[in-house]
Amino acid sequence: SQTIHQWPATLVQPVGSPLSLECTVEGTSNPNLYWYRQAAGRGLQLLFYSVGIGQISSEVPQNLSASRPQDRQFILSSKKLLLSDSGFYLCAWIWGGTANTEAFFGQGTRLTVV
Amino acid sequence: AQSVTQPDIHITVSEGASLELRCNYSYGATPYLFWYVQSPGQGLQLLLKYFSGDTLVQGIKGFEAEFKRSQSSFNLRKPSVHWSDAAEYFCAVGNTNAGKSTFGDGTTLTVKP
Repeated sequence: SQTIHQWPATLVQPVGSPLSLECTVEGTSNPNLYWYRQAAGRGLQLLFYSVGIGQISSEVPQNLSASRPQDRQFILSSKKLLLSDSGFYLCAWIWGGTANTEAFFGQGTRLTVV
Repeated sequence: AQSVTQPDIHITVSEGASLELRCNYSYGATPYLFWYVQSPGQGLQLLLKYFSGDTLVQGIKGFEAEFKRSQSSFNLRKPSVHWSDAAEYFCAVGNTNAGKSTFGDGTTLTVKP
């Protein structure tokens, strides 16, 4: 069965420190993977998506980057965190382009930059 | 540009009552529409989706939604709400790449006993 894992669940980091959030999927190959950020009381904002190893598309300019080192691994990173990077980050695996679309989300990471 | 408006930030209903959550969208072509549910501190779960065909779509957990092109709406309904339905609900509009959808800001549902 398909599952998606995301960690850590919560993270408190000082301003200027690096960040690495990891997402892995099971039960599929060559998945389309997505990183979203959710601000309090808001919907999801797409940050990055990847259709394969080494293929990253950035949707908004920001202090973050993403990498796809393995087929089922998607990493969100920053070299130096800003206060504005605080939020709830979600990884998702979404496939299908029509009625067979399915979406699987990780449990999310609550990032607080202090 | 595409956009989604969920007019109700917060809705409270009694358990067993019917529910309707509103969603209005703006999209330049034939929209693909989605409803997701999010429990506190959790990821999202896809409830249902509309791509074409029958404008009334059935989803999981007893939810349904109706696409009304003339009103640019895709409202979510449930005939009888259960306490476990308390969560935040998001409407989204996009194209064949569902992951690139535009999300609304969500409606928080509270269920009274």
